[in-house]
Amino acid sequence: DAGITQSPRYKITETGRQVTLMCHQTWSHSYMFWYRQDLGHGLRLIYYSAAADITDKGEVPDGYVVSRSKTENFPLTLESATRSQTSVYFCASSELRLDTQYFGPGTRLTVL
Amino acid sequence: AQSVSQHNHHVILSEAASLELGCNYSYGGTVNLFWYVQYPGQHLQLLLKYFSGDPLVKGIKGFEAEFIKSKFSFNLRKPSVQWSDTAEYFCAVQGNNDMRFGAGTRLTVKP
Repeated sequence: DAGITQSPRYKITETGRQVTLMCHQTWSHSYMFWYRQDLGHGLRLIYYSAAADITDKGEVPDGYVVSRSKTENFPLTLESATRSQTSVYFCASSELRLDTQYFGPGTRLTVL
Repeated sequence: AQSVSQHNHHVILSEAASLELGCNYSYGGTVNLFWYVQYPGQHLQLLLKYFSGDPLVKGIKGFEAEFIKSKFSFNLRKPSVQWSDTAEYFCAVQGNNDMRFGAGTRLTVKP
């Protein structure tokens, strides 16, 4: 049972480049989430999705784009990466909106 | 929107010491409460959760938490910590919106 997988696990990119972080879940959970983790801030929600083709903004959505064409995949794209987007990104999923969320292993992104 | 406050940023204990990590939230409605743990280099794992019922919740690895509604608190406890409990601990609250996390408490247990 793979659960949630994220790729890549580590990524170094340069300012201005487009970067896509992948998230895949095998549970058929309806809800999927993207968080960023920064020291002193805990985890902050970037975007979430209630189902295929339904997405909505979270607390810190600026500079990010998401899509969800299939239930199991929820990619996060940084259209033009900035240094302030250097962070660890976690994907999560849950069966219901207000329910336990299960997290992937994270992607450590460095923007130079 | 709800907010979550974790009082301790870094706690250092010796093995066998008792642990209590504070968590307070601000939200007036019904909440779901969680404690997650993140071991070094790993993803977040659920320690325990409270949705309703008995306010004293028992989780994995000997952890427990008590929901005190009047104090808007959900403190995490463990009577005797082990070196393997060294990790970062996050309190999280779900209100009518999204899950909000505290900034985390780093626990270091000295052998």
